[in-house]
Amino acid sequence: ETGVTQSPTHLIKTRGQQVTLRCSSQSGHNTVSWYQQALGQGPQFIFQYYREEENGRGNFPPRFSGLQFPNYSSELNVNALELDDSALYLCASSTQGQETQYFGPGTRLLVL
Amino acid sequence: QQQVKQSPQSLIVQKGGISIINCAYENTAFDYFPWYQQFPGKGPALLIAIRPDVSEKKEGRFTISFNKSAKQFSLHIMDSQPGDSATYFCAARKVFNKFYFGSGTKLNVKP
Repeated sequence: ETGVTQSPTHLIKTRGQQVTLRCSSQSGHNTVSWYQQALGQGPQFIFQYYREEENGRGNFPPRFSGLQFPNYSSELNVNALELDDSALYLCASSTQGQETQYFGPGTRLLVL
Repeated sequence: QQQVKQSPQSLIVQKGGISIINCAYENTAFDYFPWYQQFPGKGPALLIAIRPDVSEKKEGRFTISFNKSAKQFSLHIMDSQPGDSATYFCAARKVFNKFYFGSGTKLNVKP
């Protein structure tokens, strides 16, 4: 088991709503990356945070946004939810400059 | 478009057999190639990884073979066990730890 935790584990929202997902990184890690994993697919990179700033972004619209806090924990915010946003959202923590990243168990979001 | 292509989509292997999963990439900027194992309801866990200056890496029953000129790499699981039944993902990294994942291979090892 990694030290990366995510909350909540499951979430149901309706189209148009907003959602906030949370991630606590493993002790000593200063970088958090967020991924979206649709059913039956591999994780897709959303963005990465390092030193409280966005440090790289995948092909996701601006309604996907994030924050990183001084203790390196992070939030993923999604506005104006769409049905296609239904997925498992994973965060991964790592140390900048090192390749290994550790994933949390994910938050499963269902948009109705 | 898919930056890392993975095959097969699913694989059934008898206990004790060899499981082989293949991945291919196009972008020569990738500099690190990990394999992840994911069980239902869990996040992916790092299994083994390789850098492009090495052609093979072995850790226990798991081996990565890497062919830089062909831009292909594969995972071999020797003496496959029912406990290895999971979904396996290859991935490739660009700068700032931005990873691109394959679409996954669901492995079923029959007792």
